[in-house]
Amino acid sequence: AQTVTQSQPEMSVQEAETVTLSCTYDTSENNYYLFWYKQPPSRQMILVIRQEAYKQQNATENRFSVNFQKAAKSFSLKISDSQLGDTAMYFCAFMKNNNDMRFGAGTRLTVKP
Amino acid sequence: DAGVIQSPRHEVTEMGQEVTLRCKPISGHNSLFWYRQTMMRGLELLIYFNNNVPIDDSGMPEDRFSAKMPNASFSTLKIQPSEPRDSAVYFCASSGLAGSTDTQYFGPGTRLTVL
Repeated sequence: AQTVTQSQPEMSVQEAETVTLSCTYDTSENNYYLFWYKQPPSRQMILVIRQEAYKQQNATENRFSVNFQKAAKSFSLKISDSQLGDTAMYFCAFMKNNNDMRFGAGTRLTVKP
Repeated sequence: DAGVIQSPRHEVTEMGQEVTLRCKPISGHNSLFWYRQTMMRGLELLIYFNNNVPIDDSGMPEDRFSAKMPNASFSTLKIQPSEPRDSAVYFCASSGLAGSTDTQYFGPGTRLTVL
């Protein structure tokens, strides 16, 4: 079974600084997909970024980027120029080709003014 | 475009009562997913449908839980009878390409409290 591990239950960062959230996963699959979702206090699950395992280039979405290390099964999220609105729970997720998505336990990020 | 729509947003019921949660996926999406989120277990996939057909219901906790998708624009998750341990936030998500891997978009969730 695939497992997703987020080793940082909580993190904080000063506004405008950069923060990196860690995620590792365990799988024997070669083709799969990785995601970061954000869940603010409103509890809405919002897609932040997506990475296909067959792509070597790291995905980037504005201030959000990932460091995908396939051999190490690592998928960290970097948030640059942190904003107060980035305060949320962040979930790393792994999905095989069959649409079965597994989530990590989440990291609670607080951006401090 | 409207996102995934769930109703009700909040539900409070008493143990033993039947609870029905509703979901309208994004128009044109062919896959629909039901998740449950609790503090203890995090986010768990309960069941998902491709083209209205249940594909994997191995995450459904017990026979008290059932899900249907009578058409492409509507799904229900029913708990009967409900128990206090069913208290959780239930999310519905949809994605665009049945049989393929696509990003899942989540609804706002239904917070269920069973007293």
